[in-house]
Amino acid sequence: GENVEQHPSTLSVQEGDSAVIKCTYSDSASNYFPWYKQELGKGPQLIIDIRSNVGEKKDQRIAVTLNKTAKHFSLHITETQPEDSAVYFCAATLKAAGNKLTFGGGTRVLVKP
Amino acid sequence: EAGVAQSPRYKIIEKRQSVAFWCNPISGHATLYWYQQILGQGPKLLIQFQNNGVVDDSQLPKDRFSAERLKGVDSTLKIQPAKLEDSAVYLCASSSSLWGQGSGAQYFGPGTRLLVL
Repeated sequence: GENVEQHPSTLSVQEGDSAVIKCTYSDSASNYFPWYKQELGKGPQLIIDIRSNVGEKKDQRIAVTLNKTAKHFSLHITETQPEDSAVYFCAATLKAAGNKLTFGGGTRVLVKP
Repeated sequence: EAGVAQSPRYKIIEKRQSVAFWCNPISGHATLYWYQQILGQGPKLLIQFQNNGVVDDSQLPKDRFSAERLKGVDSTLKIQPAKLEDSAVYLCASSSSLWGQGSGAQYFGPGTRLLVL
């Protein structure tokens, strides 16, 4: 089955700096890669996603890049703000597996004012 | 558009007791998922429904966990009897499509936090 590794497990950045989280996946057939933000006491919130036929996608301060050859994808947050502090999860899914998501272990991001 | 609704939000029980969780997906979403999230980890899929049929329950501990989605809308997840290691957040998610067609994006509810003493 699919295996997703996520690094780093914790990330502390100064407000205004950029944050980068990286994930690797094991199954080259994976075709959909969402990122979720989870705040304390809440469910995961979808913030951006990318499909295997696209190399990069941006949404305001958030961007995701995908390298299919190396089987890794990254989340980039620019101009970080205190409200970006949360746990971020990457995930990967196989179309052949009925859209079943396999999650990484999460990255706790702390943005210091 | 209303999101995924779950209840209760919190539950404390003693081991060997039973507990049930309820989920109402986003209107029109045919696919419903139950995940277990242990503290400090990513969510792990327990069971996946397409309408009222089970698509994947390979990770569901069937000796104690059960789930149903009788009319293809709301779903309940039950644990009977509960063990200490069942303490976790139980998340429900829904999506408008299966098999990667269309968006396939999964949207999560707020979760039910279960503590087994």
